[in-house]
Parts: sequence; C-alpha cells; structure tokens
Amino acid sequence: GENVEQHPSTLSVQEGDSAVIKCTYSDSASNYFPWYKQELGKGPQLIIDIRSNVGEKKDQRIAVTLNKTAKHFSLHITETQPEDSAVYFCAASHRDNYGQNFVFGPGTRLSVLP
Amino acid sequence: EADIYQTPRYLVIGTGKKITLECSQTMGHDKMYWYQQDPGMELHLIHYSYGVNSTEKGDLSSESTVSRIRTEHFPLTLESARPSHTSQYLCASSPQTFSYEQYFGPGTRLTVT
Repeated sequence: GENVEQHPSTLSVQEGDSAVIKCTYSDSASNYFPWYKQELGKGPQLIIDIRSNVGEKKDQRIAVTLNKTAKHFSLHITETQPEDSAVYFCAASHRDNYGQNFVFGPGTRLSVLP
Repeated sequence: EADIYQTPRYLVIGTGKKITLECSQTMGHDKMYWYQQDPGMELHLIHYSYGVNSTEKGDLSSESTVSRIRTEHFPLTLESARPSHTSQYLCASSPQTFSYEQYFGPGTRLTVT
C-alpha cells in the first residue's frame, strides 16, 4: 500500500522568511496530492493541491511542486506570517471505482516567529 | 468553504457510557471517512463508506462502529467508552466522481474519564 513520509516534523522560521515542507510517496498509482493546514481546535483545511499531470502550482504565497519520477512533492510558503503557524499535512491519493483514497503524512508543525 | 458538520465539538463523558458522534455533509458526497487524530498529530483512518449501506474498516483498528443510512449522515458510535478512546475524531467527505478533493469537519474532541 501507499506510504507517505513528511519532513521536517517541526519547523520554526522568522516572519518574512520562506518555509519548505517535503513529502515522499511510494505508490506510483497516486495521482493527486493535496496539502492541508490545521489550526488549533479546527479540522484540516485544504490549502492547495496538485494533480499528477502538473509539475508546479502556485496560489499567492503558497506553491506546490511535484516530481513524479522521484515520487516527491513539496510545499513552499513565502513571506511567512504569524497566521501561517499551524500543522501542515501532505497526502497522496489515488482513485478506485468508489472514489479517492487518501494516505496522509505524519504532519509538520510550523511556527512563524515574529 | 466546505459544508461538513460535526457535533458535539467537545464531549467529556464517564467510562462505560454509550456515545454517538454525529457527522453530516450537505454537498451530496458519496464517500465519507472517520479519522482518529492522536496527540502526536497523525491522522489514522478508522472507518469509511462508499455510500448508503456501505461501511468499511480503515487502517487503524477501532472499537467504534459506523452506519450510513442516508447519504448526508455518517455517525460513529462507541458502545462503552473507555479512557483509551480519548482523542480527536475528524469526519471527512469526498465526491465519487468528477472531483478529487476531500473536505474535513471541525472535529470532536472526546475525553473519557
């Protein structure tokens, strides 16, 4: 089955700096890679995603890159702000006859220091 | 904004009690999921459903049970709560066709004393 690794488990950056979180996956059938942000006391919220036919996607200060050959994908946050502090999860997903199956990474706790 | 709801948001209950955690979504999604989230953050899939009358066990063994009588409703039940059931429970849903995204509810924080 699919296995997703995520690094680092914790990350502290100064406000305004960039943050990068990296994930690897094992199943070449995975074709969809979402990133979630979870704030304290809330459920994970989808912030950006990428499909296997795309190498990079950007949405304002966040971007995701995908290397299918190496089976890894990364989240990039530029100009970090204190409100970016949260736990971030990556996931790898593939579709069967009944819909998408998701395998999550263990999470990265990001702290943005003012 | 995803339309998926969980009640209660917080629950403190004594050992041996029966509890039901509610999850509802108004997006017409066929597939629904329950995750248990431990203090170390990791999400563990405990149940999922492909649609009405479908329930499957996830990767993490759980003493809870689920039912899916209506598309929009996917409740989780613990017949006899124990302190080891103390955790955060997250419900999610995704459409079967034409889309890939999975949306989460706000979660239920369960404490069993």
